[in-house]
Amino acid sequence: DQQVKQNSPSLSVQEGRISILNCDYTNSMFDYFLWYKKYPAEGPTFLISISSIKDKNEDGRFTVFLNKSAKHLSLHIVPSQPGDSAVYFCAARTLKTSYDKVIFGPGTSLSVIP
Amino acid sequence: KAGVTQTPRYLIKTRGQQVTLSCSPISGHRSVSWYQQTPGQGLQFLFEYFSETQRNKGNFPGRFSGRQFSNSRSEMNVSTLELGDSALYLCASSLAVELFFGEGSRLTVL
Repeated sequence: DQQVKQNSPSLSVQEGRISILNCDYTNSMFDYFLWYKKYPAEGPTFLISISSIKDKNEDGRFTVFLNKSAKHLSLHIVPSQPGDSAVYFCAARTLKTSYDKVIFGPGTSLSVIP
Repeated sequence: KAGVTQTPRYLIKTRGQQVTLSCSPISGHRSVSWYQQTPGQGLQFLFEYFSETQRNKGNFPGRFSGRQFSNSRSEMNVSTLELGDSALYLCASSLAVELFFGEGSRLTVL
């Protein structure tokens, strides 16, 4: 049962344009949603998170939008830079102790073309 | 502040052997989680430890086990290795919401 889905395995964007990465989830019990960026042969790096009680969180070039009714979130990167080329993982977490674990989506590979 | 440290970074084993991977979390972090990453499978949750207790476990066979020590350092063990166990094993520590990952241990089973 895939609780966190990223239906686009890959995405190509021109440098300077907006990158939009999408994520869907099935479990309404999640308290937080997180985005991670991963380069090959490295561990994932935390980018930005959003609480389930908010609909938007912004940090520099990164903005995450949450639509709870649609169980959908998206990560916007503006402007996109070649160094943003990596695999992006969407993740969800519930903080209830008996079920506290972070579930990751399968990832979207972003290529930013100079 | 030192990050999450995993050792060894790379290792090669043969089928049937066993392997132990080590993880030192960020100082002050008491929660340690382990994930397996294989091509096309994303990050699959193995287990999570907090204060030496396993709080959650993923859907992996009993060949996969772990433990956490009083200093929060953690180890995971895989016994009777199979070819399908070849993967990047990632450890993450946490203080609150975010997980902070190490660089991983790349296991190849021949």
